[in-house]
Formats: sequence, C-alpha cells, structure tokens
Amino acid sequence: GQQVMQIPQYQHVQEGEDFTTYCNSSTTLSNIQWYKQRPGGHPVFLIQLVKSGEVKKQKRLTFQFGEAKKNSSLHITATQTTDVGTYFCAGYTSGTYKYIFGTGTRLKVLA
Amino acid sequence: DAGVTQSPTHLIKTRGQQVTLRCSPKSGHDTVSWYQQALGQGPQFIFQYYEEEERQRGNFPDRFSGHQFPNYSSELNVNALLLGDSALYLCASSFRPPGELFFGEGSRLTVL
Repeated sequence: GQQVMQIPQYQHVQEGEDFTTYCNSSTTLSNIQWYKQRPGGHPVFLIQLVKSGEVKKQKRLTFQFGEAKKNSSLHITATQTTDVGTYFCAGYTSGTYKYIFGTGTRLKVLA
Repeated sequence: DAGVTQSPTHLIKTRGQQVTLRCSPKSGHDTVSWYQQALGQGPQFIFQYYEEEERQRGNFPDRFSGHQFPNYSSELNVNALLLGDSALYLCASSFRPPGELFFGEGSRLTVL
C-alpha cells in the first residue's frame, strides 16, 4: 500500500539554526498537507500544496512540492523555541478520500 | 464557533472489553475521519464517514467499526480490545476532502 516516509526522524538544533524535513511518497500525490503537533497536543494544519513544483512561504517556513508530486520539504529559517514539535506531511491521492500521514520529524530547539 | 470535540479525553479498559469514542465535527463540516496514533508514531487512518456511510477504510480489522449520525457527529467502536489498541484516537473533520483536516484533542485509550 501507499507509504509516506519522512527524514530525519529526530532533529536537535540550536536556536537560530535552520531546519529541514523531507517527505517522500511511494506513489504520486494529488496534493500534500503539512501539520504540526506540539508535545501532548493534536495535529494542526499548516499548509496545503497542490501544484507540481509549488513553493509557499509562511514567515520563516518554506514549503515545497516536488516536480513529480512524490516528495515535499519544509524548511524553517532561524528556528525559535516555539517551533518545537513534530512535523508531519500528509499525502492525498484523488479518489481515495484519505490522507496518509508520514512518519514525522520531531524537532527540538535548544535555547 | 466550537472546533472538533471528542469524548472521553482519557479512558482505561482491560483486554477483551469494548469501547466507544465520540466526536462532534466543526460546524459546517460534513466529513469525519478517525485516526489512531501510537506513541511516537504518525496518525494511521482508520476510516472516514460521509453522508452517514463509511466511505473509505484503512488497514484495521473488523473489530474497529463506526457510525455517523444525521448531525454529522460520529462514533468509533472497538471490540475485543487488545493491548496493542492502546493509543491516542484522533477525530478529524473536514468539508468534502481534500480540504484541511481539523483535529480534536483526541481520546487517549489505555488497555491493561
């Protein structure tokens, strides 16, 4: 079945350093979403990417959807302690009605 | 405007018992998806309900069943509980996929 993998599994950075997580799907996606889950919390929607090669920015966060629509990345510039949490990508294939979540990247930011 | 609400927030059961979890979707949403999230893992899709019918199902056994009511609220039932069913059960509502998923706080189930 369809699988969505993320690397790295964990990342510890010093506050102010950059961070990137990569998401790879075993199948071509219709769109991809990114979520953030704080420790003890629930996933919260960040963004949705639909077009091949699409790049979107939200303040210090940059999201990219690969040309083949099978991979995506999230880059955070100058991390802050508020960025702590686990970042999940979730892939959607038209007609399946379900989002398949990635394995997640857990980010820790050291002050 | 209330978001997605789930109940109960925590519960403890023993092996072999049955459990029912409840979810009220965000106002205006007509689709409810259930996910199971084991500790340190990503959410795993259980099933989705739309127009009171199960529209899609993940790789979960028949012990997992659900229901959607006319007001779009939903229940997740798990029979013959196993230790491995211990997890956070998340309900997510949306308006006709592939829109944004709004998650509830979850129901944390512990099976002893």
